[in-house]
Amino acid sequence: NAGVTQTPKFQVLKTGQSMTLQCAQDMNHEYMSWYRQDPGMGLRLIHYSVGAGITDQGEVPNGYNVSRSTTEDFPLRLLSAAPSQTSVYFCASSYSPTGGKRGEKLFFGSGTQLSVL
Amino acid sequence: SQQGEEDPQALSIQEGENATMNCSYKTSINNLQWYRQNSGRGLVHLILIRSNEREKHSGRLRVTLDTSKKSSSLLITASRAADTASYFCATDARTGGGNKLTFGTGTQLKVEL
Repeated sequence: NAGVTQTPKFQVLKTGQSMTLQCAQDMNHEYMSWYRQDPGMGLRLIHYSVGAGITDQGEVPNGYNVSRSTTEDFPLRLLSAAPSQTSVYFCASSYSPTGGKRGEKLFFGSGTQLSVL
Repeated sequence: SQQGEEDPQALSIQEGENATMNCSYKTSINNLQWYRQNSGRGLVHLILIRSNEREKHSGRLRVTLDTSKKSSSLLITASRAADTASYFCATDARTGGGNKLTFGTGTQLKVEL
């Protein structure tokens, strides 16, 4: 299994440009999520999904859109990039959104470093 | 707002020593998890402790949980240079929308030879 795959690893955008960060997992996980990591802030939840066709907002959703058309993929779209969106973005998935013995631990991708100029 | 806060923010020890990191949180939880992040990499799950557990071990890791104080500690025994990384606690506070794991700001551990 490849686990959680994120692309691209690095991206530089100009203010106002749009782009999509890709995330795919091959573990048949129901739950997928996007976090951003900023210095001194830890990880903050942007959006999450508990299954195909179901998405919800996290702590910092403004400026981002998501969709979940398949179990495997959970792309994150930046609609009009701003310098405040300069960050490292992580996609993560887990077996079950509702707990249970299969575990609630998250499996993370390797991240996308995004700079908005 | 951040649910978990780690203490200390940074820790530097010698190889072979024990490292202790603490995490405090604000609301009731279902479980608390610890993750490690090596520089430039994604987070890796280390250990999960449920709200009805007080202590858990995994190899050189020992985690305690005190729900009355809303705090947890991670102890790494006999540390190695390879343990150099950032360590994050994450709390699972069940909400109506499902699993929302909230991360703290992390402890940077440096283990020197």
